[in-house]
Amino acid sequence: AQKITQTQPGMFVQEKEAVTLDCTYDTSDQSYGLFWYKQPSSGEMIFLIYQGSYDEQNATEGRYSLNFQKARKSANLVISASQLGDSAMYFCAMRETGGFKTIFGAGTRLFVKA
Amino acid sequence: DSGVTQTPKHLITATGQRVTLRCSPRSGDLSVYWYQQSLDQGLQFLIHYYNGEERAKGNILERFSAQQFPDLHSELNLSSLELGDSALYFCASSVVQGATGELFFGEGSRLTVL
Repeated sequence: AQKITQTQPGMFVQEKEAVTLDCTYDTSDQSYGLFWYKQPSSGEMIFLIYQGSYDEQNATEGRYSLNFQKARKSANLVISASQLGDSAMYFCAMRETGGFKTIFGAGTRLFVKA
Repeated sequence: DSGVTQTPKHLITATGQRVTLRCSPRSGDLSVYWYQQSLDQGLQFLIHYYNGEERAKGNILERFSAQQFPDLHSELNLSSLELGDSALYFCASSVVQGATGELFFGEGSRLTVL
């Protein structure tokens, strides 16, 4: 069964520094997608970045990059040059090829300090 | 604006009552997903519909039911409500079923059961 684990309930980072949010996953499928979403205090879910299991390059989207280590089944999110507006809950998610459901981790709450 | 519309945004009701949450997916998206997010929790997958057919069920209670109509909008029905059903209910849509393609989330329906 597929599973997502985020072991950091909360993280602090100084403004303008980089931060890594951890995510490990478990699946028996060879083809799957990994996603990161941001949920600010206002509650909406914002898509950040996607990595396919067959993608050889790590995904990047602006200040977000995904450190994908397939053998370790990890998909860590790296946020460079943190901004105060990055303070939010971050969720790692996975969907298998069948695509019938996307499961989410428990989330990591990030606090950016001025 | 994700293009996914959920109504109502807020709902307060009493235990034992029944409510219906409505979701209109993005134009062209055939897949609709429902998630439940209790206070400070991750997103729990409830159910997935694709083009009117149920494709996957998660930890959805028997008191809950859903359907997707021919015009692709979906409704989540919650009955015999209990205090523990208080949560933020998200609807999300995507254009494909496979491993690729992010979910587009509505703003959620916040249900409070008193």
